[in-house]
Amino acid sequence: EVQLVESGGGLVQPGGSLRLSCAASGFTLSNYSMNWVRQAPGKGPEWVSYISRSRNIIYYADSVKGRITISRDNAKNSLYLQMNSLRAEDTAVYYCARVEIAADGTTFDCWGQGTLVTVSS
Amino acid sequence: QSVLTQPPSVSAAPGQKVTISCSGSSSNIGNNYVSWYQQLPGTAPKLLIYDNNKRPSGIPDRFSGSKSGTSATLGITGLQTGDEADYYCGTWDSSLSAYVFGTGTKVTAL
Repeated sequence: EVQLVESGGGLVQPGGSLRLSCAASGFTLSNYSMNWVRQAPGKGPEWVSYISRSRNIIYYADSVKGRITISRDNAKNSLYLQMNSLRAEDTAVYYCARVEIAADGTTFDCWGQGTLVTVSS
Repeated sequence: QSVLTQPPSVSAAPGQKVTISCSGSSSNIGNNYVSWYQQLPGTAPKLLIYDNNKRPSGIPDRFSGSKSGTSATLGITGLQTGDEADYYCGTWDSSLSAYVFGTGTKVTAL
């Protein structure tokens, strides 16, 4: 079964750091580009970051640029998101999402269950 | 503030049809493929439509997608109570170098 499982969320103070992980199973992570998408309480999804299969292409949303770093370890079938200088507005459920390789356009065909990040003092 | 605009809500009686519009611009919908996602309460978004009008395996043909110019539309026929959810369009924005989601539409079966 294809599965993505996020971990690492929790309560952190403003200005703090957190590292999220996403473990992939049921498929070979190295064959897929990956993303992080977040959803604040009561809001719609907001794309956060993209990393290509070989890590040579990376994109970030303007709202997190300079504070967040996406990375991957294909040997461990894992995706990561290092978040620094966290703000209250970063409070959200963070999902990892896989890019469908059979599609002509960018589309997210598999999502994890999400991990909640709460930034509060 | 999203660059893709959707109506906040649509509703219809069970068995009827609803359509959801998604309006964008030439930098996103106009030159890129559109996807649609369904999000049931308390769950992660689920892919419904990709490449404007293709359905992933397991998605019933009651769901359909289309695109014209800088707008896209999701159609749901034979509306069921189980279809009550939030629906989001999404596509790549070439000017922003970012993936963008629509504002979201809540579907209600009256």
